[in-house]
Amino acid sequence: GAVVSQHPSWVICKSGTSVKIECRSLDFQATTMFWYRQFPKQSLMLMATSNEGSKATYEQGVEKDKFLINHASLTLSTLTVTSAHPEDSSFYICSAMDRALNEQYFGPGTRLTVT
Amino acid sequence: SQKIEQNSEALNIQEGKTATLTCNYTNYSPAYLQWYRQDPGRGPVFLLLIRENEKEKRKERLKVTFDTTLKQSLFHITASQPADSATYLCALVRRNTGKLIFGQGTTLQVKP
Repeated sequence: GAVVSQHPSWVICKSGTSVKIECRSLDFQATTMFWYRQFPKQSLMLMATSNEGSKATYEQGVEKDKFLINHASLTLSTLTVTSAHPEDSSFYICSAMDRALNEQYFGPGTRLTVT
Repeated sequence: SQKIEQNSEALNIQEGKTATLTCNYTNYSPAYLQWYRQDPGRGPVFLLLIRENEKEKRKERLKVTFDTTLKQSLFHITASQPADSATYLCALVRRNTGKLIFGQGTTLQVKP
């Protein structure tokens, strides 16, 4: 099956700093990638849709200046959490859409802890 | 707005029994619905997809039904095993965008 990787798998940062999370589709090209956030015991909430070569579209309530998304190639999308605060601590998960199969494949997630 | 609900209470069953998980949705007519498995600290893993014109889909010990009149999907695991213990998520797929709307998940615990 298709594989999506995320890096890092976990990160601890200080309040006020920025953190970049990478999402890669390893064996297929993904014109569309999605970024989700999941708080403990809650469901995945879609944050934004990332399309290769164009600006990301953000869901209502998600600050685009705080969560910067770059989808520079067909296999890589990055999410940068800028000026992180403790309330940004969460599990961030990306997915990549294989349009040929009309399926989304999820990465293993990145645990962000802001101290 | 679209809403998707799963039983938030954990489901505890004995090994060998059939586990049945429920997913109900409102205010939407999805083209298809997906089921995922999520283990603690991991991303979701795709299990099954069922389209609006399909009543039932099977894959090994898994079976999914889709009733567009009731706006409900049922997910069955037959001959359950302790290794099936995980959280199971259902997700609606928004037409034309591929965006997924997830339910909150139901945690299944299979006891040996």
